[in-house]
Amino acid sequence: NAGVTQTPKFRILKIGQSMTLQCTQDMNHNYMYWYRQDPGMGLKLIYYSVGAGITDKGEVPNGYNVSRSTTEDFPLRLELAAPSQTSVYFCASSPAGTAGNTIYFGEGSWLTVV
Amino acid sequence: QQQVKQSPQSLIVQKGGIPIINCAYENTAFDYFPWYQQFPGKGPALLIAIRPDVSEKKEGRFTISFNKSAKQFSLHIMDSQPGDSATYFCAARSSGSARQLTFGSGTQLTVLP
Repeated sequence: NAGVTQTPKFRILKIGQSMTLQCTQDMNHNYMYWYRQDPGMGLKLIYYSVGAGITDKGEVPNGYNVSRSTTEDFPLRLELAAPSQTSVYFCASSPAGTAGNTIYFGEGSWLTVV
Repeated sequence: QQQVKQSPQSLIVQKGGIPIINCAYENTAFDYFPWYQQFPGKGPALLIAIRPDVSEKKEGRFTISFNKSAKQFSLHIMDSQPGDSATYFCAARSSGSARQLTFGSGTQLTVLP
């Protein structure tokens, strides 16, 4: 079972370029999230979605955009990349309802902006 | 701003030792406190979690102690092994939220053989 799949695994961007980090989950989870992880800083929430067509900002949304056209997919768009966006990005998902407290993470996408 | 403060930043113990990682929170609306384990190059994975109506929870060699009045919780790893070497994150979630977690800054644990 695939779980949460992120692509690409590694990417180098030049300042000002744009790109999309892809995320798909095969667990039929309603909730999906994008976090970024910087050394010694834990994980910070960028955007989240509670279902198809619904997205909302997290703690650090500036410079990013998301969309949720299907339950499975939650791509993260970086516009006009800046060195401050060099980070490891994690997509995650969680089922809705009282049965689902666990958030499942993908394996991460390492992004370097030069 | 919701915050979860985690300490220490790094920890080195001998095999068989009992590392303890501490977290403190401010928001009394938090109702779920998980610990995540992360190995290099991998995403975080849920290790153990507790709700504030319980003071302690054990799963195998891992124990969470929870002090609601002090707004603190900690992870204890009994009989630690080199395979436990990883980064550990505490986290907290508010009731009524879309299940998003607020994470601590992480503790890098090294267990020496």
